[in-house]
Amino acid sequence: DAKTTQPPSMDCAEGRAANLPCNHSTISGNEYVYWYRQIHSQGPQYIIHGLKNNETNEMASLIITEDRKSSTLILPHATLRDTAVYYCIVRVATGNTGKLIFGQGTTLQVKP
Amino acid sequence: GAVVSQHPSRVICKSGTSVKIECRSLDFQATTMFWYRQFPKQSLMLMATSNEGSKATYEQGVEKDKFLINHASLTLSTLTVTSAHPEDSSFYICSARDQRGSNQPQHFGDGTRLSIL
Repeated sequence: DAKTTQPPSMDCAEGRAANLPCNHSTISGNEYVYWYRQIHSQGPQYIIHGLKNNETNEMASLIITEDRKSSTLILPHATLRDTAVYYCIVRVATGNTGKLIFGQGTTLQVKP
Repeated sequence: GAVVSQHPSRVICKSGTSVKIECRSLDFQATTMFWYRQFPKQSLMLMATSNEGSKATYEQGVEKDKFLINHASLTLSTLTVTSAHPEDSSFYICSARDQRGSNQPQHFGDGTRLSIL
């Protein structure tokens, strides 16, 4: 699976949009981009995933560049409860394999 | 949404004890489940892939005789830490994916914090 690069940390003001970047320049055509987050002392929480089109759900939006070499997770109105480590992972989604390999992620601190 | 339940949430036991952790998919079936370990201030490290009805696949450096995995049904995988020692103290997390559909996301349990005295 392709490797991802994320900034180690970011700050965001409460109520503002949080934009978390991820580089995956070696992504293959059949690899999806997944985003998870981990709030302290809990298991990771699934946020969103996509292949090449932009995706939106009740939690966030995922913007994938046309060349698929990078993506941005957008939390439209960050709250204090969004403070967490955010992981961007690329993975082949075929069959029942496709294990998730976690990097160091981005620690997002939402400040009042 | 899909839910993965992990039990127990916390275990404190003496060195030399074997500890079993259960991972259940509550509203879906999973032929494959995954076990991770996380040390303080570090990221999750994949330990093994649990396969229903067959042997688990272990990542490099993970002792299969130390970390026994059993996946006896489509909704339950167990991880047994045998003869646990203080260095095995960690946060153990499981995940599972709904086997229906090829790009379903994995869902994670809330983890088990294991402390060996």
